[in-house]
Amino acid sequence: DAMVIQNPRYQVTQFGKPVTLSCSQTLNHNVMYWYQQKSSQAPKLLFHYYDKDFNNEADTPDNFQSRRPNTSFCFLDIRSPGLGDAAMYLCATSRDRVGNQPQHFGDGTRLSIL
Amino acid sequence: SQQGEEDPQALSIQEGENATMNCSYKTSINNLQWYRQNSGRGLVHLILIRSNEREKHSGRLRVTLDTSKKSSSLLITASRAADTASYFCATVRHGSGNTGKLIFGQGTTLQVKP
Repeated sequence: DAMVIQNPRYQVTQFGKPVTLSCSQTLNHNVMYWYQQKSSQAPKLLFHYYDKDFNNEADTPDNFQSRRPNTSFCFLDIRSPGLGDAAMYLCATSRDRVGNQPQHFGDGTRLSIL
Repeated sequence: SQQGEEDPQALSIQEGENATMNCSYKTSINNLQWYRQNSGRGLVHLILIRSNEREKHSGRLRVTLDTSKKSSSLLITASRAADTASYFCATVRHGSGNTGKLIFGQGTTLQVKP
């Protein structure tokens, strides 16, 4: 089945130690999104790609970066994780970039910071 | 910042009963979408309703949209224990350009007791 896959499902890292989360998709969608979701809160958009065109949200900390080497893969890099970065990170894809199509989400990576 | 407000924040019902969740938003929209999130999982798209539509159905789901009141409701009929989840409304703001950015409400946590 076509889908959005996030690895790993659970990630534990140490305070300040860089960590990379990955997302892959078999839907061949042009747009990929990264969201941060803290407990009992709504997802918060960090950034998105339209093909290789990167779009950062104004309030996304500089600590967060992303790479999209090809259509299928997208990575979220957290350079120096702080305790406040513990959250669920969700990847999503969409066929269009204007929001007229639904977004397809992966099951997320839950990041814990020691 | 979140655009949507959802009501109630939490809802507990018996299996077989109907569940109604409401969503209000602040600006003009292109469309409004409802998503479900099971505990520890990603979001699953349920229904997309465009700004020129008033009602949409999908199986046991019925969504209404009142753009004059800037509000939407999601009705789940004949609920099942498997409907236990958090439900989020999300809007795509009119004039959001080429971002397709979803603005999520805070969500309603639904518990369906067997």
